Amino acid sequence: DIQMTQSPSSLSASVGDRVTITCRASQSINTYLNWYQQKPGQAPRLLIYSASSLQSGVPSRFSGSGSGTDFTLTIRSLQPEDFATYYCQQSYSSPRTTFGGGTKVEIK
Amino acid sequence: QVQLEQSGAEVKKPGSSVRVSCKASGDTFNNYAFSWVRQVPGQGLEWMGVIIPVFGTPNYAQKFQDRLTITTNKSTSLVYMDLSGLRSDDTAIYYCARDRRSLQLSDSFEIWGRGTLVTVSS
Repeated sequence: DIQMTQSPSSLSASVGDRVTITCRASQSINTYLNWYQQKPGQAPRLLIYSASSLQSGVPSRFSGSGSGTDFTLTIRSLQPEDFATYYCQQSYSSPRTTFGGGTKVEIK
Repeated sequence: QVQLEQSGAEVKKPGSSVRVSCKASGDTFNNYAFSWVRQVPGQGLEWMGVIIPVFGTPNYAQKFQDRLTITTNKSTSLVYMDLSGLRSDDTAIYYCARDRRSLQLSDSFEIWGRGTLVTVSS
């Protein structure tokens, strides 16, 4: 199985901060990488697909980049509603997909 | 807009089986892949398996190969997840999720159900 490693596992940030979350794959996955946001008590929400494509309805302050093994999710100016846990997911080995361990973004 | 409605919470004994259902609204059921993803409370997401109703052949994660069955009922737009041999570490929220693109398996999950809590306890 392809292993997905996210870093950091948690971070504290303030409203207005620029936040960067990293996801590393155990082998090259081209751009078969998606990002999700999950708030407590809710299902995950798709933010970014194919490494850098913004899902419909997602604010433009979210962006994704990377290819191969290293990927980044950036939140340009953190808003109160962005405090959540973020997961990456590789679909290179579809159908057997795997998720990263998650990054919890907390209020500083 | 497509929505996924899941069945209610379950409490099961160790060694028993559970069935969780997922009903898709709208008329795009047959050609989209439906996956089951679980989440142990406080932990991360774990993909379990997937099925495209028009093809009917499921794919399972190796970990669940021996005790997971995913089926569909095309006439009622329902997807079922049956998990047998339940253990305490199967206690989790089980999500049904639909792929973003038709005829793609586990590509990206655009639509999610609200989740079904399955508790395994003696």
